[in-house]
Amino acid sequence: AQSVTQLGSHVSVSEGALVLLRCNYSSSVPPYLFWYVQYPNQGLQLLLKYTSAATLVKGINGFEAEFKKSETSFHLTKPSAHMSDAAEYFCAVSDLSGNTPLVFGKGTRLSVIA
Amino acid sequence: SQTIHQWPATLVQPVGSPLSLECTVEGTSNPNLYWYRQAAGRGLQLLFYSVGIGQISSEVPQNLSASRPQDRQFILSSKKLLLSDSGFYLCAWTWGQPEGGYTFGSGTRLTVV
Repeated sequence: AQSVTQLGSHVSVSEGALVLLRCNYSSSVPPYLFWYVQYPNQGLQLLLKYTSAATLVKGINGFEAEFKKSETSFHLTKPSAHMSDAAEYFCAVSDLSGNTPLVFGKGTRLSVIA
Repeated sequence: SQTIHQWPATLVQPVGSPLSLECTVEGTSNPNLYWYRQAAGRGLQLLFYSVGIGQISSEVPQNLSASRPQDRQFILSSKKLLLSDSGFYLCAWTWGQPEGGYTFGSGTRLTVV
């Protein structure tokens, strides 16, 4: 069974600092991987996804993530945090068949300090 | 383009009352549909999903139920709400192609009092 682990339920960074949100997955074969962002009292919005093309994936709002098979990781980064980046971030994994629902991590709350 | 509608946005219900939350998708046909719940301080919990009309898979035994009376309509119900049913309920859809990911609705904040 697939699983996703997000290290750190809460990450706090200063405005302008690097954002690094960690995600490790467990899967027998390289899966599809996703990062979603959720602002307060809103639904989840897709930030970016890995679908076995380029291992470095660029998403919206300046975020990017790198798929590392050897480390079974898909960490999310942004070079310079903005106040507007404060939100909850979810990593998710899908098997290649799509026959089972996405498996989500427990989320990481990002706080940005002025 | 495809859009997903979820209503109501907020709901306050007394314990023991019934519940009906509705989700509809426009601009597509035969979507896979999902209901998730977020309790305070917790992650996403998959409640139900459906790959077609009348096909419902339940992930968690609850006093909740789901129905899909039409291709693009997904309803979450309860006959008698419990305090523990409070949370943020999210509907999502996909075409069933795994590389597409899910598109989420804006959510319903349910408070059971």
